[in-house]
Amino acid sequence: GNSVTQMEGPVTLSEEAFLTINCTYTATGYPSLFWYVQYPGEGLQLLLKATKADDKGSNKGFEATYRKETTSFHLEKGSVQVSDSAVYFCALTYDANTGGFKTIFGAGTRLFVKA
Amino acid sequence: KAGVTQTPRYLIKTRGQQVTLSCSPISGHRSVSWYQQTPGQGLQFLFEYFSETQRNKGNFPGRFSGRQFSNSRSEMNVSTLELGDSALYLCASSPGLPYTGELFFGEGSRLTVL
Repeated sequence: GNSVTQMEGPVTLSEEAFLTINCTYTATGYPSLFWYVQYPGEGLQLLLKATKADDKGSNKGFEATYRKETTSFHLEKGSVQVSDSAVYFCALTYDANTGGFKTIFGAGTRLFVKA
Repeated sequence: KAGVTQTPRYLIKTRGQQVTLSCSPISGHRSVSWYQQTPGQGLQFLFEYFSETQRNKGNFPGRFSGRQFSNSRSEMNVSTLELGDSALYLCASSPGLPYTGELFFGEGSRLTVL
């Protein structure tokens, strides 16, 4: 079946460090891939997305490229800030063949950024 | 544009009771999904409704049920509560059509079962 695996956290970085959070997936067909972010006490919000192979999603300095050959969608940011401290979720959405789509999420990676 | 609104935000129940959670989607969104978030299991899909019809369902027991009204507002109900039902319940809406895959989440309803 379809699944998403992302690196375990927590990840602790100093401000201005480079960030990579790994995400790999297993899916049949052609899923869309997403990164969501959850700040303390809040729901998830979309960070970026990619809908087909080789697409690059980007937002707020974060980037991720849909790599079909390695079934990966790693999240990167060149210089993190304290305000980036949150939990990051990798997700994929696929056609459930029920007239709708299903989204499944990775376990989440908590990021702490120190000043 | 108002976001997804979930009520109540916090609630405490005892084992055996039942609970109803409410979700008002973004105006114009016709699809509403529900997720259970726990530290041990992460985000697990409960069900999805589109135009008052349940289109998809996750692997939860029949104690978990939901419905969607003609104005797209949705409710989920958990009967005969168990300690393990303590979780953050998140509602997400999407336009439904055209399909974008993007989900817009509310802040959640945090349920504690004692």
